[in-house]
Amino acid sequence: NAGVTQTPKFQVLKTGQSMTLQCAQDMNHNSMYWYRQDPGMGLRLIYYSASEGTTDKGEVPNGYNVSRLNKREFSLRLESAAPSQTSVYFCASKRGLAEYEQYFGPGTRLTVT
Amino acid sequence: SQELEQSPQSLIVQEGKNLTINCTSSKTLYGLYWYKQKYGEGLIFLMMLQKGGEEKSHEKITAKLDEKKQQSSLHITASQPSHAGIYLCGADGGPSGTYKYIFGTGTRLKVLA
Repeated sequence: NAGVTQTPKFQVLKTGQSMTLQCAQDMNHNSMYWYRQDPGMGLRLIYYSASEGTTDKGEVPNGYNVSRLNKREFSLRLESAAPSQTSVYFCASKRGLAEYEQYFGPGTRLTVT
Repeated sequence: SQELEQSPQSLIVQEGKNLTINCTSSKTLYGLYWYKQKYGEGLIFLMMLQKGGEEKSHEKITAKLDEKKQQSSLHITASQPSHAGIYLCGADGGPSGTYKYIFGTGTRLKVLA
């Protein structure tokens, strides 16, 4: 089992460019999450998908869109990148409602210049 | 909205020393999680506490949730260099099933050999 995988690991974008961060899990988990981690701010939830076919906003959704492509994959899209979106992005998954442990991917370091 | 405050923000200890990290919530905790993050990597689940007064241990790490369910402490006994990293507490943003997890800002631990 690879667990939760994220691509790319590093990315540099110019302001206004778009990109999609990919996340996949092979644990047959129902719920998936996208977080961003900034110095002094901890982890903040961007979007989540409670189950296949559903997505919902988290704490900081502005500037992002998500797609739950299937049960395995949950992508995060930046339509027009801004320097404020420079961060480390983590994808996570968990089995379902009654489960508490989230499994995290290794992260994507994004810099927007 | 609920917030989690961790203290201290950073900690440097000599190998073999004991240490405690605290996590305080602005509201009643429905579930409190402790994660460890190695520098530049994703988060690894340590343990989850749900009941007031509950205490759990994992190797040399013990976590406790107070009776009022608004504060948790993480205690490391006889610290080792392998304990170094960032410790984050996380919580359900509301009753079980809301999926909107929140995290503290983290405590950076360095253990000197």
